[in-house]
Amino acid sequence: DTAVSQTPKYLVTQMGNDKSIKCEQNLGHDTMYWYKQDSKKFLKIMFSYNNKELIINETVPNRFSPKSPDKAHLNLHINSLELGDSAVYFCASSQDLRGPYEQYFGPGTRLTVT
Amino acid sequence: QKEVEQNSGPLSVPEGAIASLNCTYSDRGSQSFFWYRQYSGKSPELIMSIYSNGDKEDGRFTAQLNKASQYVSLLIRDSQPSDSATYLCAPSPSNDYKLSFGAGTTVTVRA
Repeated sequence: DTAVSQTPKYLVTQMGNDKSIKCEQNLGHDTMYWYKQDSKKFLKIMFSYNNKELIINETVPNRFSPKSPDKAHLNLHINSLELGDSAVYFCASSQDLRGPYEQYFGPGTRLTVT
Repeated sequence: QKEVEQNSGPLSVPEGAIASLNCTYSDRGSQSFFWYRQYSGKSPELIMSIYSNGDKEDGRFTAQLNKASQYVSLLIRDSQPSDSATYLCAPSPSNDYKLSFGAGTTVTVRA
């Protein structure tokens, strides 16, 4: 009965490959997010969807493309992977956009690009 | 000025002591404030939220908020080795849809 789940947990791949990370939440929340946490542990938002609509699109290379087939799922596809993409990617969800913005995080996907 | 600043760590405290974590933020319109705990290799976990000026206590944790000073803090009383983690401060935005996380303060509780 995991609230926010992500797959895979670990992803090791070579430069230039394309990969996807999947996220699902069973909290009934309307809003989902993707965050990137680099080696310095700084947590930076990448995207946010509210009811399948893209709301936040931070300055992220267009090699990153989120997709939300329904409000319980938010996937992240990454094209032409680069060494600098190595990080931990967290999915999160919150009840809605209007606050108080309590967010619940998935376990993370550790991406290593070699 | 960074949107959210936390006291630089690491913060090392002996078991049983009080750990004091500070956070200042730049958005005067922020109304909600969250503290997350992140163990090494794990995801952030919400441990405290505070919306009004003053103190809010939850077990061994006390959050303090002063909106006029744009300051929020977290006290951990009777610190335990299990409290060793990185603590992230996250004020809610006033005119945006995303939380801004601080860089975090790493706490180590010495047995």
